[in-house]
Amino acid sequence: DIQMTQSPSTLSASVGDRVTITCRASQTISTSLAWYQQKSGKAPKLLIYKASTLESGVPSRFSGSGSGTEFTLTISSLQPDDFATYYCQHYNTYSWTFGQGTKVEIQ
Amino acid sequence: EVQLVESGGGLVKPGGSLRLSCTASGFTFSTYSMNWVRQAPGKGLEWVSSISSTGTYIYYADSLRGRFTISRDNAKNSVYLQMNSLRADDTAVYYCARIALTDHFDNWGQGTLVTVSS
Repeated sequence: DIQMTQSPSTLSASVGDRVTITCRASQTISTSLAWYQQKSGKAPKLLIYKASTLESGVPSRFSGSGSGTEFTLTISSLQPDDFATYYCQHYNTYSWTFGQGTKVEIQ
Repeated sequence: EVQLVESGGGLVKPGGSLRLSCTASGFTFSTYSMNWVRQAPGKGLEWVSSISSTGTYIYYADSLRGRFTISRDNAKNSVYLQMNSLRADDTAVYYCARIALTDHFDNWGQGTLVTVSS
């Protein structure tokens, strides 16, 4: 099974900071990767799919990159609404695997 | 507007059963694969099971196969998760999510809490 590993597990940052979260796959997965944002007590929300395609309605300060085994989610200028937990997810036709999550906290 | 509404969660004793439902609206349900994802308290997301648009293809997480059964009724715009032999570590919020054409999850319900405790 493919394992997804995110780093860091927790990230402390300030409003306006540029933030980068990394997700590594245990095997090459091409660009079959999505990123989700989850706020406390709420359902996850899709941000990015196919590694770099921004979901409709998601602010352009969010971007994704990478292919193969290493991927990044970047928030270009952190806003108060962005403090949340972020998950990467590998997908194929018959299984879906999430990373363990990265919590973005206020510094 | 796409809406997914889960129901059926609650408190159940170890070894018991529960059936979750997810009712969809705002899109042509019969053309989308659907799935269940769960999240234990304070933990990350775990994919549980998926079902294709016609119900022909069904997949489960390895750790759950044999105890959980996914099904759907396209006439009722609903997907179900039958959970048997429940254990304490099945305690979680269970989310229903729609699978987009490129296989990511583009819409999620609000979740329903399942608590397994004596």
